[in-house]
Amino acid sequence: DAGVTQSPTHLIKTRGQHVTLRCSPISGHKSVSWYQQVLGQGPQFIFQYYEKEERGRGNFPDRFSARQFPNYSSELNVNALLLGDSALYLCASTETRYNEQFFGPGTRLTVL
Amino acid sequence: RKEVEQDPGPFNVPEGATVAFNCTYSNSASQSFFWYRQDCRKEPKLLMSVYSSGNEDGRFTAQLNRASQYISLLIRDSKLSDSATYLCVVNQGGKLIFGQGTELSVKP
Repeated sequence: DAGVTQSPTHLIKTRGQHVTLRCSPISGHKSVSWYQQVLGQGPQFIFQYYEKEERGRGNFPDRFSARQFPNYSSELNVNALLLGDSALYLCASTETRYNEQFFGPGTRLTVL
Repeated sequence: RKEVEQDPGPFNVPEGATVAFNCTYSNSASQSFFWYRQDCRKEPKLLMSVYSSGNEDGRFTAQLNRASQYISLLIRDSKLSDSATYLCVVNQGGKLIFGQGTELSVKP
């Protein structure tokens, strides 16, 4: 079975632009979460979606938004990019029986 | 105070050594607990879930003490391939809270 997939793998943007990151969960998983990891720190929770509804939101500005589609894939959108948004963006798919989350390879975003 | 705190690293150990990682968490309502492993510039990979009764998977043993809000991971007979950053993680209502990670370097 395929694991969590994310696209693109790398992205370079300039300040003020917007970006859309995509994620497909493990087949059968209905929940997707997004995390931001900056260098030297653990991942920080951004959003969780379950059955297309937002179930949780971390301490991120309104420039960050997300949605989940009927096929359970998800998009993370970031508007008005800042230099500080440069990070690895990770998507996790949840196995709800044991509450375990499995991460995709991430999208490395660089904002210049 | 950080919600999840881990031992500062890095840990540098010889092959075959036993190494222990410790972690504390601040929110007593935390529901489930995990150790993840992260290799350089890669995604975190689930190493083990942690249960109050303790659990073992080969050379790895994890313990949880809810009363003390303390989690541990023991690695026996360290291998070169164990070199990575180990992340202590608690789950609060579906939201994973990560510690800052402890880097382990196993030397020949």
